[in-house]
Amino acid sequence: GENVEQHPSTLSVQEGDSAVIKCTYSDSASNYFPWYKQELGKRPQLIIDIRSNVGEKKDQRIAVTLNKTAKHFSLHITETQPEDSAVYFCAADRTGANNLFFGTGTRLTVIP
Amino acid sequence: DADVTQTPRNRITKTGKRIMLECSQTKGHDRMYWYRQDPGLGLRLIYYSFDVKDINKGEISDGYSVSRQAQAKFSLSLESAIPNQTALYFCATSDRIGDYGYTFGSGTRLTVV
Repeated sequence: GENVEQHPSTLSVQEGDSAVIKCTYSDSASNYFPWYKQELGKRPQLIIDIRSNVGEKKDQRIAVTLNKTAKHFSLHITETQPEDSAVYFCAADRTGANNLFFGTGTRLTVIP
Repeated sequence: DADVTQTPRNRITKTGKRIMLECSQTKGHDRMYWYRQDPGLGLRLIYYSFDVKDINKGEISDGYSVSRQAQAKFSLSLESAIPNQTALYFCATSDRIGDYGYTFGSGTRLTVV
């Protein structure tokens, strides 16, 4: 089955700096890679996703890159703000199953 | 976002008791899922259902059962609760066509003592 590994488990950055979270996956057939943000006490919410026919996708301060050859994808947050503090999860979708396999999460803290 | 509703929000139960967690959705999605979240372990799939007549085990289904009562309702049961089932449980839904993202419910925090 699919195995998604996520690093680091915790990340602290100064406000205004960039943050990068990395994930690797094992199933070369996976073709959909979403990222979820979970604020304290709240439900995970989709913030950005990328499909295997695209190498990079941006949405304002957030970007995701995908390297299918190496089977890894990354979340980049620029100009971080305190409200970016949350737990971030990466996930991968096994082709044809539409079941997301999640990484173990990264707790991002943005220090004002 | 009240599109996916879970009840109860919090529950404390005793070891050996049967408990049901309920999920209902107004999004019209066919696919529904139950995940549990544990610190350091992320979100792990318990069961999923692609329609009323379709139920599938996930990676950690032992000790759990589910019922898809209608397109909009998907319940998770713990037949005989044990302490290591203490966790945060999320229901999620997705559309089968095009929209692959999940919409999560607000979660149920379950404590088994």
